[in-house]
Amino acid sequence: AQSVTQPDIHITVSEGASLELRCNYSYGATPYLFWYVQSPGQGLQLLLKYFSGDTLVQGIKGFEAEFKRSQSSFNLRKPSVHWSDAAEYFCAVGANQAGTALIFGKGTTLSVSS
Amino acid sequence: SQTIHQWPATLVQPVGSPLSLECTVEGTSNPNLYWYRQAAGRGLQLLFYSVGIGQISSEVPQNLSASRPQDRQFILSSKKLLLSDSGFYLCAWSVQAVAGNTIYFGEGSWLTVV
Repeated sequence: AQSVTQPDIHITVSEGASLELRCNYSYGATPYLFWYVQSPGQGLQLLLKYFSGDTLVQGIKGFEAEFKRSQSSFNLRKPSVHWSDAAEYFCAVGANQAGTALIFGKGTTLSVSS
Repeated sequence: SQTIHQWPATLVQPVGSPLSLECTVEGTSNPNLYWYRQAAGRGLQLLFYSVGIGQISSEVPQNLSASRPQDRQFILSSKKLLLSDSGFYLCAWSVQAVAGNTIYFGEGSWLTVV
């Protein structure tokens, strides 16, 4: 079965600084990988996803993520963080099998300082 | 376009009382449907998922149950709530029969058991 680890529970970044959120997955085959963002009290919004092809994936709000098979990682990056990026971020992995659910990591809370 | 609605948005229930959270999806047919729970510090836990009417898979043993009486309706229930059932419940859907399909979330329901 697949699993996801987000090693960082909470990260604080200065506004304008770069950001990298870590995600490691476990799955025996090529996974489907996702990043979602959740603002307080809200549902989750999809930022980006990786299915196949180019390992660098562009998403909404200026985010990107890179799939590295050798490291079993799918880290989320943003070159310059804005105060509105403060939220909780979830990495998720899906199996290459129809009818299965995504498995989520425990999330990383991002705080942005001015 | 597809939309997902869940209600109620907020619920305060005494221990031992029943629960019913309802979710409906519009603009698609035969979706996969999911219930996730989000408790503080625990990330997103998959509770149930359904690939069709009357077909429910349970991921964790608990005093909750789910039903899918119609194609685009998914209900989360309990006969007797426990304090530990408090949390943020998220309904979600995805396209049927597609591996690694993106999951789209509702806005969530806050449940406080007192």
